[in-house]
Amino acid sequence: DAKTTQPPSMDCAEGRAANLPCNHSTISGNEYVYWYRQIHSQGPQYIIHGLKNNETNEMASLIITEDRKSSTLILPHATLRDTAVYYCIVRGGATNKLIFGTGTLLAVQP
Amino acid sequence: GAVVSQHPSRVICKSGTSVKIECRSLDFQATTMFWYRQFPKQSLMLMATSNEGSKATYEQGVEKDKFLINHASLTLSTLTVTSAHPEDSSFYICSARGTAINQPQHFGDGTRLSIL
Repeated sequence: DAKTTQPPSMDCAEGRAANLPCNHSTISGNEYVYWYRQIHSQGPQYIIHGLKNNETNEMASLIITEDRKSSTLILPHATLRDTAVYYCIVRGGATNKLIFGTGTLLAVQP
Repeated sequence: GAVVSQHPSRVICKSGTSVKIECRSLDFQATTMFWYRQFPKQSLMLMATSNEGSKATYEQGVEKDKFLINHASLTLSTLTVTSAHPEDSSFYICSARGTAINQPQHFGDGTRLSIL
């Protein structure tokens, strides 16, 4: 499975959009991009996933570049409860397992 | 959304005890279940993958005789930590996925295991 690169931490002001980047330059054609988040001492929460088209749900939007080598998770109006570690994971191919990297710690500031 | 229930949420026991953790998918059939472990300030580490009715596949470095996994039905998987020692203290998290291969995995809330 392709490896992902994320910044270790980001800050965002409450009420503003949080844009979390992810690089996955070695992604292959049948691999999906998944986003999860983990609030302290809880299990990861599924946010959104996509293959090549942009996706939107009630939690977030996922923008995938045309070459699929990077993506951005957008939380349109961040709240304090969005403070968490956000994981971008590429899954598919032979193993189809979710392998977690180190993620981005998003701190939403009041 | 899909719900995965994990029990117990916390357990404290003496060294040498075996501990069983249950993971249930409440509103979908989980053909594949996964067990992860997370140490403080670290990311989740996949321990093993199990398919209903089959033996679990363990990741490199995970002792299969130490961490017994049973996935006897489409809604239940169990992880038994046998003869637990203090170094087994960790946050154990299960995850489940339905039949479609690109469906997202859903996670339980984890079990905090402390071995004294």
